[in-house]
Amino acid sequence: DIQMTQSPSSLSASVGDRVTITCRASQTISNYLNWYQQKPGRAPKLLIYAASSLQSGVPSRFSGSGSGTDFTLTISSLQPEDFATYYCQQSYSLPLTFGQGTRLNIK
Amino acid sequence: QVQLVESGGGLVKPGGSLRLSCAASGFTFSDYQINWIRQAPGKGLEWVSYISGTGSTIFYTDSVKGRFTISRDNAKNSLYLQMNSLRVEDTAVYYCARRVRYCSGTTCSYDAFDIWGQGTMVTVSS
Repeated sequence: DIQMTQSPSSLSASVGDRVTITCRASQTISNYLNWYQQKPGRAPKLLIYAASSLQSGVPSRFSGSGSGTDFTLTISSLQPEDFATYYCQQSYSLPLTFGQGTRLNIK
Repeated sequence: QVQLVESGGGLVKPGGSLRLSCAASGFTFSDYQINWIRQAPGKGLEWVSYISGTGSTIFYTDSVKGRFTISRDNAKNSLYLQMNSLRVEDTAVYYCARRVRYCSGTTCSYDAFDIWGQGTMVTVSS
């Protein structure tokens, strides 16, 4: 199974900050990497697919990059509604696996 | 409106059974692979199973093989998860999620879970 490791597990930031979350795969996954946002009590929401493609309707302040084993999700200017937990997920091979999540808190 | 709605969760004793349902609307259900993904309380996301649009291809994560059965009824726009021999560690919110493929011309390479239900809670406890 491909293990996905996110860092940090949590971080605190302020509205307007630029934030970067990283995700590392235990083996190469090309760019078969997706990012999701989850708010408490809600289902996850797709933000980025294929490592860097923005899902329709997602604000452009979200961006993704990376290939191989190392990936990043960047939020260019944090908005109040962005405080949530973020998960990466590999779609390279079964079983499909997720990172453990990064909780983004208000500072 | 494109949506998935789960039902069937509840409290069950270890060793018991439960059948989850997922009702789809707003899209051509049979065109899409649908997945079950679960989230234990306070934990991360775990992929459980998927079934292709026709129902001919099915996969499970190792921890549920032989205990869970995924199925679908395209005439009813519905997905099911029959869960037998339930264990305490199966306690989780269970989501159904549509897996969409992204294509460029005739080449379809990437996929992601683009539509999720609201989830249904399964609690396995004595």
